[in-house]
Amino acid sequence: QITLKESGPTLVKPTQTLTLTCTFSGFSLSSDGVGVGWIRQPPGKALEWLARIYWDDDKRYSPSLKSRLTITKDTSKNQVVLTMTNMAPVDTATYYCARWGFKLGYNWFDPWGQGILVTVSS
Amino acid sequence: DIQMTQSPSSLTASVGDRVTITCRASQTITNYLNWYQQKPGTAPKLLIFAASTLQSGVPSRFSGSGSGTDFTLTISSLQHEDFATYYCQQSYNTPYTFGQGTKLEIE
Repeated sequence: QITLKESGPTLVKPTQTLTLTCTFSGFSLSSDGVGVGWIRQPPGKALEWLARIYWDDDKRYSPSLKSRLTITKDTSKNQVVLTMTNMAPVDTATYYCARWGFKLGYNWFDPWGQGILVTVSS
Repeated sequence: DIQMTQSPSSLTASVGDRVTITCRASQTITNYLNWYQQKPGTAPKLLIFAASTLQSGVPSRFSGSGSGTDFTLTISSLQHEDFATYYCQQSYNTPYTFGQGTKLEIE
């Protein structure tokens, strides 16, 4: 069974850096084709993809947030870390991590963690 | 970026109805299209990948079709547990964009 869980602060101040950790089980991030991604969802709004890291350390970011995001992995700990700098109230959202699955050349996010609501407020 | 546009934004239907949700990409994505279901307060769940392949465990009343830029998600006979918000997402290239969602409500 594959599970993922997000952890980190639920309240950050404007201009601070957010660090979120995704701890997973049931798969290895050292296996070919495997990836983990981060997606966020502001309250009452749609999903927004943020970043994705592959087993071979290939990293991709949302162009609109690229300058503020860093994604890293610790294969030995089964963790993926996302940092986002210069947080602002508009970054208030539920942040999800999810396995970037694959089959026959296709990819998707499944399963997802439960999400963590991060509020940006002074 | 590839823009994904869903229609309608919201839909009211009854148990037993057949419903169709449309997703349009701003450029061709061949069949690199996924559908997710999200219930309030929970994480999204994958329903369909590669435009028409049902994820394991998903009821057969769900189906997907389309290629190129136009795609549909169909629920053949609505059940109570299907009332949720549905999102399409393209996996053709980064950024992996989502549609704005379609909220399916009970009549």
